[in-house]
Amino acid sequence: SAVISQKPSRDICQRGTSLTIQCQVDSQVTMMFWYRQQPGQSLTLIATANQGSEATYESGFVIDKFPISRPNLTFSTLTVSNMSPEDSSIYLCSVAGFPGYTFGSGTRLTVV
Amino acid sequence: DAKTTQPTSMDCAEGRAANLPCNHSTISGNEYVYWYRQIHSQGPQYIIHGLKNNETNEMASLIITEDRKSSTLILPHATLRDTAVYYCIFETSGSRLTFGEGTQLTVNP
Repeated sequence: SAVISQKPSRDICQRGTSLTIQCQVDSQVTMMFWYRQQPGQSLTLIATANQGSEATYESGFVIDKFPISRPNLTFSTLTVSNMSPEDSSIYLCSVAGFPGYTFGSGTRLTVV
Repeated sequence: DAKTTQPTSMDCAEGRAANLPCNHSTISGNEYVYWYRQIHSQGPQYIIHGLKNNETNEMASLIITEDRKSSTLILPHATLRDTAVYYCIFETSGSRLTFGEGTQLTVNP
């Protein structure tokens, strides 16, 4: 299965600023997925990122708040914009593979 | 939307089998059921998945009812390292995973 490197592993940010999270995969993949896990809760899909096209966002998530880049088949970034304390969560990227989906180790974001 | 229902928590004695149930009465005919676990807020780890037939691998067994409305994940000999949150998940169209709330499994010595 694919190996995912996600950076940063954690960060503490001031409200009103933005943070860009990077996801690097060791093999070429068509789709990459970004999830959010709020404290004590399950994972929620934010968007699906395909190389060469705009990301597809789930209900409740918008591009202005969570812009995504997918410049090639092994890399993607998620930016959390104009952050507020409610954005404090773990953000994870994921790719489809065999036998199942592989997840990064996550970025633990705290907004103060 | 497709949804899974799991008990919030379960306990299991070390060395015994852990049986984790999941209800997915709204599952469609072509939607796979996946099981993942998450330890200490790390990234979720794949365990097993299936569509209709029962499945077994080196980690666990997956029993899916004939009507596909529920399934059970079986860890045959639970160890302390199996303490984690276990998620029963749908894979819907577009490779989208819909996570349930998960079951906190605690394996006791």
